Amino acid sequence: GPKVLQIPSHQIIDMGQMVTLNCDPVSNHLYFYWYKQILGQQMEFLVNFYNGKVMEKSKLFKDQFSVERPDGSYFTLKIQPTALEDSAVYFCASSLYSQNTLYFGAGTRLSVL
Amino acid sequence: DAKTTQPDSMESTEGETVHLPCSHATISGNEYIYWYRQVPLQGPEYVTHGLQQNTTNSMAFLAIASDRKSSTLILPHVSLRDAAVYHCILRVANYGNEKITFGAGTKLTIKP
Repeated sequence: GPKVLQIPSHQIIDMGQMVTLNCDPVSNHLYFYWYKQILGQQMEFLVNFYNGKVMEKSKLFKDQFSVERPDGSYFTLKIQPTALEDSAVYFCASSLYSQNTLYFGAGTRLSVL
Repeated sequence: DAKTTQPDSMESTEGETVHLPCSHATISGNEYIYWYRQVPLQGPEYVTHGLQQNTTNSMAFLAIASDRKSSTLILPHVSLRDAAVYHCILRVANYGNEKITFGAGTKLTIKP
């Protein structure tokens, strides 16, 4: 099926630093999503993004989080500053239209020390 | 999105056909039934989806009850690679509600 690529697969940073997680969505897709999964727990929705704007965000999407997709390149999730509780696997997803199937990447494991 | 109910876990043996049930008694007329599966250290993988009619693809057969209050994902001749957590998710089929919400799903274990 369609592939969503996430870079890097694992990132280790010190608490308080900034981190940017990169997502290369399916080429013609228009809607983009970030999910968070703590080890052993359920996937949790963070945010979705369309036409340069955040459409919906959850309570987990703290003020320290931001998303953007400059000039149709990577869809990014930036955390500044990071906290210990941000340690998790972050999954990116994309879909062609809002009601179409979401395709997920393999995730970026973020370890905040 | 309306709630779904799935068993926490199921077990099968290689080569068998597995029936994964999902209950969605309060489903709305405009909600699709989606199935995803996730193995450890990987992202969720789309399996199939349907609205009212049964559907089939290379991965699975989705049987939807006539009243749409339940569905069953049927995996023929399972292999060890089919071991995963299977999520049954309802998704509104119109604009303005794009996200999907995951529950705990059913953990399917396959024995050799």
